Amino acid sequence: GQNIDQPTEMTATEGAIVQINCTYQTSGFNGLFWYQQHAGEAPTFLSYNVLDGLEEKGRFSSFLSRSKGYSYLLLKELQMKDSASYLCAVRDYGSSNTGKLIFGQGTTLQVKP
Amino acid sequence: DADVTQTPRNRITKTGKRIMLECSQTKGHDRMYWYRQDPGLGLQLIYYSFDVKDINKGEISDGYSVSRQAQAKFSLSLESAIPNQTALYFCATSVSNTGELFFGEGSRLTVL
Repeated sequence: GQNIDQPTEMTATEGAIVQINCTYQTSGFNGLFWYQQHAGEAPTFLSYNVLDGLEEKGRFSSFLSRSKGYSYLLLKELQMKDSASYLCAVRDYGSSNTGKLIFGQGTTLQVKP
Repeated sequence: DADVTQTPRNRITKTGKRIMLECSQTKGHDRMYWYRQDPGLGLQLIYYSFDVKDINKGEISDGYSVSRQAQAKFSLSLESAIPNQTALYFCATSVSNTGELFFGEGSRLTVL
């Protein structure tokens, strides 16, 4: 089966850097996704990692270590609009043909002035 | 207009009633999904479909059924709604060779 863990809540200051961690256990890993979800809205895609290393996209970066079953999402130069939930999701190799993702419970980030 | 459209956006109903949530998409994707979201539990997969003739159960399919009427339409039904089915429901689509999901705006269902 699969298990995905991420912190429930985090708080950070506007302009700062925050790192949101995600650990996972799967029977056959085939990709990790990060989504952003503002309250009451649909999740939107942020990043995708399938190989080890860092993927950078503007203020957001995502890192993956497959051997450790670990990923993090790094948000730089935090803005108030970054206050949202951040969802870690894993695609399992056994399900790779379906594109089916299994989601963690999400991390609610509050950015304070 | 949204690429993935869900109706209704909000619905309040009573225990035992039959409810249908509809999803339509203009993205031309073959894969469609229904998720439910509860506070603190993340997104849980209810059903998914590869194409019109393919329906698969997800993690929490009990109490739900689906219909894929066309490539662009995927409906979720609650035959006899119960209060613990109160949740936010999301439809999503994906292209067959990637995992990225494109979500609808959500349907908030309250069962009294």
